[in-house]
Amino acid sequence: QVLLVQSGAEVRQPGDSVKVSCKASGYTFTSYDINWVRQASGQGLEWMGWMNPNTGNTGYAQNFQGKFTMTRDTSISTAYMELSSLRSEDTAVYYCAREGDGYNSLDFWGQGTLVTVSS
Amino acid sequence: DIQMTQSPSSLSASVGDRVTITCRASQSITRYLNWYQQKPGKAPKLLIYGASSLQGGVPSRFSGSGSGTDFTLTISSLQPEDSATYYCQQTYSTPYSFGQGTKLEIK
Repeated sequence: QVLLVQSGAEVRQPGDSVKVSCKASGYTFTSYDINWVRQASGQGLEWMGWMNPNTGNTGYAQNFQGKFTMTRDTSISTAYMELSSLRSEDTAVYYCAREGDGYNSLDFWGQGTLVTVSS
Repeated sequence: DIQMTQSPSSLSASVGDRVTITCRASQSITRYLNWYQQKPGKAPKLLIYGASSLQGGVPSRFSGSGSGTDFTLTISSLQPEDSATYYCQQTYSTPYSFGQGTKLEIK
């Protein structure tokens, strides 16, 4: 079965960086784009960007340009997202999700990773 | 960028009720509209893709309709386990924006 398993919760100080992983299994990792979505506590879903694991091509929402970087390691079927220059406003749960065949919908999601930014 | 507007932002209904949530796009997105259900502390779950196609394993009481700019999610007979927040998302063009969510409570 398709699974996306994310790395565990992180606590960082303002100005730090954080890298979150998303390990895929149950399908061919390079065949489907990975998206990242953010959700602050009690708030809605915010789309961050997409990555093609085969080519490494990426696309970023304007709000996250220069702030957020997506990479991958195809040898271990893992996608990564790195957030830099962290601020308290970046405290949120970050989800990876697979972009499926049906109208680019996000058909499988990771369990989420809580990133807390606090001094 | 395409803006997505959901209504209502919250609603309360009884078991067995028919419930409808609407989503409007700021420009035509043809049928590139998806619906997700999210329960507290959990990742979102895809319910409907392409405006009206039911994702595998999703109960048939969920249905979607619409095209262009106006879409609806309908729950034909509300069940207790349907208490959740529902989001629409357009995937017609990036950035793939979400609606603000509709919180559904069971009376």
